[in-house]
Amino acid sequence: GQNIDQPTEMTATEGAIVQINCTYQTSGFNGLFWYQQHAGEAPTFLSYNVLDGLEEKGRFSSFLSRSKGYSYLLLKELQMKDSASYLCAVMDSNYQLIWGAGTKLIIKP
Amino acid sequence: GAVVSQHPSRVICKSGTSVKIECRSLDFQATTMFWYRQFPKKSLMLMATSNEGSKATYEQGVEKDKFLINHASLTLSTLTVTSAHPEDSSFYICSARDSAPRRGGPTDTQYFGPGTRLTVL
Repeated sequence: GQNIDQPTEMTATEGAIVQINCTYQTSGFNGLFWYQQHAGEAPTFLSYNVLDGLEEKGRFSSFLSRSKGYSYLLLKELQMKDSASYLCAVMDSNYQLIWGAGTKLIIKP
Repeated sequence: GAVVSQHPSRVICKSGTSVKIECRSLDFQATTMFWYRQFPKKSLMLMATSNEGSKATYEQGVEKDKFLINHASLTLSTLTVTSAHPEDSSFYICSARDSAPRRGGPTDTQYFGPGTRLTVL
């Protein structure tokens, strides 16, 4: 079967750095997406990785290792507004998105 | 760019009535749109994939006669919840796939509408 695993919840301090991990087992791979979802709102696109390595976009970076079936989202200089759920999703061989359950990130002052 | 709108944002209806939700891609064409539902503190659940000009593909366990999908144009898909019941109360979210190469973004990214919160009394 297809499976995406990410931690249910993480807590971090304002101004610090946090890494949210995602491991996956899917039938085929056509890219990995990270989305941010604030409570009561729809997800918003953060990043996309299809090749191994690190993609940096401002305070957010996303890393991919296809051989290990592993990705992480790195958030730097955390702000209170970063409190949200972070969803990892993998596009399989049929170009369908397989979603993780999301990681709820709690930022404390 | 890549804006998706969804209307209405919130609806309250009586049991037995039908509710139509519209999803529009505002600045790009989307041959494929997706409909999700999400219960509180739960992950997104794909209901169906909507392809312009053809029948929608429903996920296992989703009743196609209850959740009618119409993708009449490259920018509009509608979901109609027929004979709604309280158990249909949920957050319904659409997304549109931007399949055109776009500077600074990957192809096949799904962009989400703001969601529709349905409450059936």
